[in-house]
This record gives sequence, structure tokens and C-alpha cells, in this order.
Amino acid sequence: EAGVVQSPRYKIIEKKQPVAFWCNPISGHNTLYWYLQNLGQGPELLIRYENEEAVDDSQLPKDRFSAERLKGVDSTLKIQPAELGDSAVYLCASSLQGGAEAFFGQGTRLTVV
Amino acid sequence: QQQVKQSPQSLIVQKGGISIINCAYENTAFDYFPWYQQFPGKGPALLIAIRPDVSEKKEGRFTISFNKSAKQFSLHIMDSQPGDSATYFCAASKSSARQLTFGSGTQLTVLP
Repeated sequence: EAGVVQSPRYKIIEKKQPVAFWCNPISGHNTLYWYLQNLGQGPELLIRYENEEAVDDSQLPKDRFSAERLKGVDSTLKIQPAELGDSAVYLCASSLQGGAEAFFGQGTRLTVV
Repeated sequence: QQQVKQSPQSLIVQKGGISIINCAYENTAFDYFPWYQQFPGKGPALLIAIRPDVSEKKEGRFTISFNKSAKQFSLHIMDSQPGDSATYFCAASKSSARQLTFGSGTQLTVLP
């Protein structure tokens, strides 16, 4: 069974440019999460989806970040415009609805120069 | 406010030794406590998890000890191997919210 798939693996962009990350969760997992992991730190939740509904986006910086999960499967996280401080690893995770175990993808490492 | 505090930040253990990583939490509403293992360039992988109705859970060489009154839990890795060298994160969540709050991580190095 395939795990959580994220793309791209790496992205380097100039500040003020837009960037988008894509996530395909494990088949059958209704819950999808986007986490931010800064270097040397634990992941921090940005947004959680139950099917296509964003049920927890309180920590998503909405002035520049947006996310969508069309049809309740794949999800896209966008940053526009990117700032130097956005350089980090963006992790996608999924779990069964009502399940506690979250499975993570390999992440997208973003570098803003 | 850091709700899950993890220590030590780094740990060096000889092969065959016991690795111990500790975490403390503040929110008494947490009811799920997983440990994740992360290798460089990879996402965190669930290692073992415990709920507060038990004080200990063992899976192979990995054991979680849980102290509800002290609001602490720890990971013990028995017979540590060089392949265990990775960063370990404790986490906690409320089942109702299912938002994992992670500790700051422990970089474990097991010397051959």
C-alpha cells in the first residue's frame, strides 16, 4: 500500500514568489493534515481537513497561506508571496476518520532566497 | 506556550545500551501519546503509542512508560543499534481534536 505522497521533494524560490505543494493521502484516509517543520524542531499543525472541510485552520497564516482539498482526496498548500522565514519542511499526513494514528509523507523542503 | 517538553536534546549511546528519552506535558486533556522516529530527509514515522489507561507499553525493543500523575512519559530503547540513530519526537493529542503537539526532538546517535 502506498504511503502519503508529496511533491515536489525540494523547492527553491525567490522571496515574494508563489509556491504550491501537493499531497496525496493514503487511500481511504478521510483526515488530512499539513504540518510545518522548522529545522531542529518538531512539526507544528497548519491545517486539518475532514474530507473536504477544513475543520482546524487556526494556525494557518491566512494572509499568505491557503489550502484546498477538492473532492476530499488530494490537497494543495499554497504560499503567496513567500518570505525568507517560510523556509522549512512542509509535511502532509493522513489518518482514518476518527483514528489517532497519523502517517506522514516525506515532506517538501522549501528554501526561500 | 510549549505544551510538550522533551529532553535531552541529543543523546549518544553505545551499541547494546539503553536509550531513554523523556517528555512532560501540561494539558491534562491529552489522551494519546505517540512517539515518532525521523531519519534525515524523511517524514516522521510512528514508532509506538500509548493511552493514559496503561502505565507501560512494549513493542519489541521499544517501551513507553507513562506516569499520569506526574504528566510524564518516556521512551526506552533496549539493546540500541546504530540503525536506531535518528531524531525521536514525542507528541500528545486530544482524541477529540486530533491535533498532534510535538516535542522539540531528541537526536539519538548509537555508536557501533
